[in-house]
Amino acid sequence: TQLLEQSPQFLSIQEGENLTVYCNSSSVFSSLQWYRQEPGEGPVLLVTVVTGGEVKKLKRLTFQFGDARKDSSLHITAAQPGDTGLYLCAGEGAGTASKLTFGTGTRLQVTL
Amino acid sequence: DTAVSQTPKYLVTQMGNDKSIKCEQNLGHDTMYWYKQDSKKFLKIMFSYNNKELIINETVPNRFSPKSPDKAHLNLHINSLELGDSAVYFCASSQEAAEAFFGQGTRLTVV
Repeated sequence: TQLLEQSPQFLSIQEGENLTVYCNSSSVFSSLQWYRQEPGEGPVLLVTVVTGGEVKKLKRLTFQFGDARKDSSLHITAAQPGDTGLYLCAGEGAGTASKLTFGTGTRLQVTL
Repeated sequence: DTAVSQTPKYLVTQMGNDKSIKCEQNLGHDTMYWYKQDSKKFLKIMFSYNNKELIINETVPNRFSPKSPDKAHLNLHINSLELGDSAVYFCASSQEAAEAFFGQGTRLTVV
């Protein structure tokens, strides 16, 4: 069974602070996706990383895929209240068809 | 136009009842999923269908029976509901395992 552990589970920070969320596994993934989920809504895709070592930036968000494709990180610079939400990583298993395994989730709260 | 729509959004029912949740996607995707999100927000896959055929069944009790009449629809029927079935159920679709588009979820409460 492929497991994705995220840390931290909860994070409460003030506007303007930086933060990093980690997504770790002992399994190799062919790609890894990051989603954000807001209360009462389904998760929405932020980014997909495919190549080991890949770095993608989405405004103040920086995503990195580990060299061995077993882990990933999400770094947010100068967090804003609008970043508040549940962040989920999801890995596409190497060789498994049509299956995403979701991480345990990180709940982020950004206050003024 | 809503890409993935599921109904109902809220469902409150008594233990032992049978209920269904419907899902439709208008994205032309071949693959549809049912996920369960528990109170700790852990999102776990239940079923995956590709072109109306069951691909993944993740150790879900056989009280849960998915049905896909066509590739745009994946419904979930639950028999003999139990308290532990209370959760938010999400339908999603994707083209293979690319970006998954999720519905708004159905919050099921069994009392």
